[in-house]
Amino acid sequence: GQQLNQSPQSMFIQEGEDVSMNCTSSSIFNTWLWYKQDPGEGPVLLIALYKAGELTSNGRLTAQFGITRKDSFLNISASIPSDVGIYFCAGQLAGTASKLTFGTGTRLQVTL
Amino acid sequence: SQTIHQWPATLVQPVGSPLSLECTVEGTSNPNLYWYRQAAGRGLQLLFYSVGIGQISSEVPQNLSASRPQDRQFILSSKKLLLSDSGFYLCAWSGKVTYEQYFGPGTRLTVT
Repeated sequence: GQQLNQSPQSMFIQEGEDVSMNCTSSSIFNTWLWYKQDPGEGPVLLIALYKAGELTSNGRLTAQFGITRKDSFLNISASIPSDVGIYFCAGQLAGTASKLTFGTGTRLQVTL
Repeated sequence: SQTIHQWPATLVQPVGSPLSLECTVEGTSNPNLYWYRQAAGRGLQLLFYSVGIGQISSEVPQNLSASRPQDRQFILSSKKLLLSDSGFYLCAWSGKVTYEQYFGPGTRLTVT
């Protein structure tokens, strides 16, 4: 089935650093979503994007819907220890109403 | 506001035993409902989704089944569990207009 290529797979950063991750696909998506999952819990929606080129912020998080509609980016500024977790992108593929395609996840670890 | 519940939180079952996991949503009507499975350290695999009572779409052939007996209730079942059924099972809901999915707390299933 359709896959979203999410990178990097994992990253270690120091507290206070900025973080960038992205999702790419060969297909066009109508919606991009970013989730964070803490260990043993369900994913929590961080940001939703609905228009190509859209840039949306949620506190220290900023996400963008790529102009080509085939990619999306998430940036975290001034990381803190509670940013640790797995970040998933998800997209609604054109022509597949009701379902989302999820990326493979980026595991973020923050060192003091 | 809307909330989603899953139970049990954890479950240890022997191979060959039956399974029933329940998910209920509060604060919304006629939601789309989803069952996902997540293997340790892996992404989300969509198992079933439902757009209405009695309407179930299966994404992956397996020995699991799903039912939606009421508008806000979604049940995942198996007649005989396999070792490979172990994992973290997540239920999610979405509205009919946007594609944002909201996840429950999950059920950790261990088949021994």
